[in-house]
Amino acid sequence: DAGVIQSPRHEVTEMGQEVTLRCKPISGHDYLFWYRQTMMRGLELLIYFNNNVPIDDSGMPEDRFSAKMPNASFSTLKIQPSEPRDSAVYFCASSQHRAATNEKLFFGSGTQLSVL
Amino acid sequence: AQKITQTQPGMFVQEKEAVTLDCTYDTSDQSYGLFWYKQPSSGEMIFLIYQGSYDEQNATEGRYSLNFQKARKSANLVISASQLGDSAMYFCAMRGLSGTYKYIFGTGTRLKVLA
Repeated sequence: DAGVIQSPRHEVTEMGQEVTLRCKPISGHDYLFWYRQTMMRGLELLIYFNNNVPIDDSGMPEDRFSAKMPNASFSTLKIQPSEPRDSAVYFCASSQHRAATNEKLFFGSGTQLSVL
Repeated sequence: AQKITQTQPGMFVQEKEAVTLDCTYDTSDQSYGLFWYKQPSSGEMIFLIYQGSYDEQNATEGRYSLNFQKARKSANLVISASQLGDSAMYFCAMRGLSGTYKYIFGTGTRLKVLA
């Protein structure tokens, strides 16, 4: 398997523009997580899905952020409109749930977002 | 609510020495897993070690061991015989295994190994 695939690797945009980040999880994984990494706040959980259904979006900072998972092999995180404070690295990660065992996350390479 | 706390923003250790990275957690879940990940300067996230809340023995993986003290809600990572390649950011993480399956991380500790 190719692992978790994120695109784009880098995104530079201007304030007010719409940004869409994409993620393809590992086939067979039933959990998908979106994180935002900044120096000040570390890795923040934004939202996670189970079997394509959003379970907890309490980490989404504001209404400008939205995430979807239309099928088991694709998810998007959208920011509209983007602001400079959204600049961060955004990670997607997936895992396969097995009760009481090691459920490590498999991370994508991340998207470095810069909003000017 | 779940929370992970890493109180050491940065640490230095001499090559070949052992180092302990601190992690405390809080959760209402009865069953949970604790993890450590390493993030080198390249940015990738690398899984290091796992400890289940009902595991009686501390987890070990090569030079990594997890000092699990359930009553104190701590899950410290011990790296023995530090190497220059261990210089990286280290994140402690927790996942509930009953009720909620949120997978949360601490703010990380940046480790620098000195030659």
